Amino acid sequence: ELKVEQNPLFLSMQEGKNYTIYCNYSTTSDRLYWYRQDPGKSLESLFVLLSNGAVKQEGRLMASLDTKARLSTLHITAAVHDLSATYFCAVDMSYVIGNEKLTFGTGTRLTIIP
Amino acid sequence: DTEVTQTPKHLVMGMTNKKSLKCEQHMGHRAMYWYKQKAKKPPELMFVYSYEKLSINESVPSRFSPECPNSSLLNLHLHALQPEDSALYLCASSPTGFGTEAFFGQGTRLTVV
Repeated sequence: ELKVEQNPLFLSMQEGKNYTIYCNYSTTSDRLYWYRQDPGKSLESLFVLLSNGAVKQEGRLMASLDTKARLSTLHITAAVHDLSATYFCAVDMSYVIGNEKLTFGTGTRLTIIP
Repeated sequence: DTEVTQTPKHLVMGMTNKKSLKCEQHMGHRAMYWYKQKAKKPPELMFVYSYEKLSINESVPSRFSPECPNSSLLNLHLHALQPEDSALYLCASSPTGFGTEAFFGQGTRLTVV
């Protein structure tokens, strides 16, 4: 059974600082997604990583994927308050149409302190 | 149109009621999903429809009954729910259902009393 773990589970950081969220998964996959969720809201797609070594950047967020290490990272640069949210990674094991399935990580609740 | 629309946004129902959650997308996606999310937890997959056929049922109790009338619509019929079924129910869709990102609706906040 696929297990997807994130750390840390909770992260409180000051504005202007840098930090990294880690996503480890237990089974080979070369497709991973990052989502953001604000309290009481739905999930917003942030990054789609579809191959080993993939790196995507959007504003102060950068995501990468190492399929050999079964590890993805979400790096936050010079954090600002509006990045406060819960961040989920999700691993895609659907190699066959009809077997589509995303398995979500445990989530990282990020709080940016002014 | 890049939205997945869910109705209603909020629902309170008794344990003897029958209700339905609705989901609609007009992006031409051929995979649609129901997820359940409890507070402070990640979403958990319930059902997947691929090309209007049920392809995955994650051992969900029969009091939850999905339906996919056509490629744009997905319903979740609810009957005889328990208080522990109270959660945020999220619908999602993806272009081919194969290695592509899922787009989520705003969710239905369900409370069972």
